[in-house]
Amino acid sequence: GENVEQHPSTLSVQEGDSAVIKCTYSDSASNYFPWYKQELGKGPQLIIDIRSNVGEKKDQRIAVTLNKTAKHFSLHITETQPEDSAVYFCAAQPQNSGGSNYKLTFGKGTLLTVNP
Amino acid sequence: NAGVMQNPRHLVRRRGQEARLRCSPMKGHSHVYWYRQLPEEGLKFMVYLQKENIIDESGMPKERFSAEFPKEGPSILRIQQVVRGDSAAYFCASSPLAGTGLGKGYGYTFGSGTRLTVV
Repeated sequence: GENVEQHPSTLSVQEGDSAVIKCTYSDSASNYFPWYKQELGKGPQLIIDIRSNVGEKKDQRIAVTLNKTAKHFSLHITETQPEDSAVYFCAAQPQNSGGSNYKLTFGKGTLLTVNP
Repeated sequence: NAGVMQNPRHLVRRRGQEARLRCSPMKGHSHVYWYRQLPEEGLKFMVYLQKENIIDESGMPKERFSAEFPKEGPSILRIQQVVRGDSAAYFCASSPLAGTGLGKGYGYTFGSGTRLTVV
């Protein structure tokens, strides 16, 4: 089955700096890669996702890059703000027709702290 | 349009008791997924249900755990004879169609979870 590794486990940055979180996956059949933000006491919220036919995707201060050859994808947050502080999870999923295209495999999470 | 509603938010059970976790999907969503989050771990898939059907329970422990999604009412995750190792956050997600990959606003929407503590 799929295995997703996420680094670092904790990340502390100053407000206004950039933050980068990296994930690797093992199953070459995975071709959908979402990122979730989980605030304390809440459920995960999808913030951005990318499919394997795209190398990069941006949404305002958030971007995700994908290197399918290396089985590696990253989350980039620019101009960080204190409200970006949360746990961020990467995930991977196969999108094969007839396959289990509903089962997400998550990384262990990164606790991001943005210091004012 | 309420999101995915889970209750209770916190549940404390003594070893050997039963825990019942409820999940009401978003309006119009007929696909429900349960995930478990152990301390300092990512979420692990447990089970995928559609109305009155279990589609995939490959992530469910073989004993003591069961799930249902009846024609009327919420989805229920039931844990019988709880043990300390069952202490975790249990999240439910729902979707309007099978699977995810449809971007923000579609696909999975997670609830706020039920934090189960076994004492």
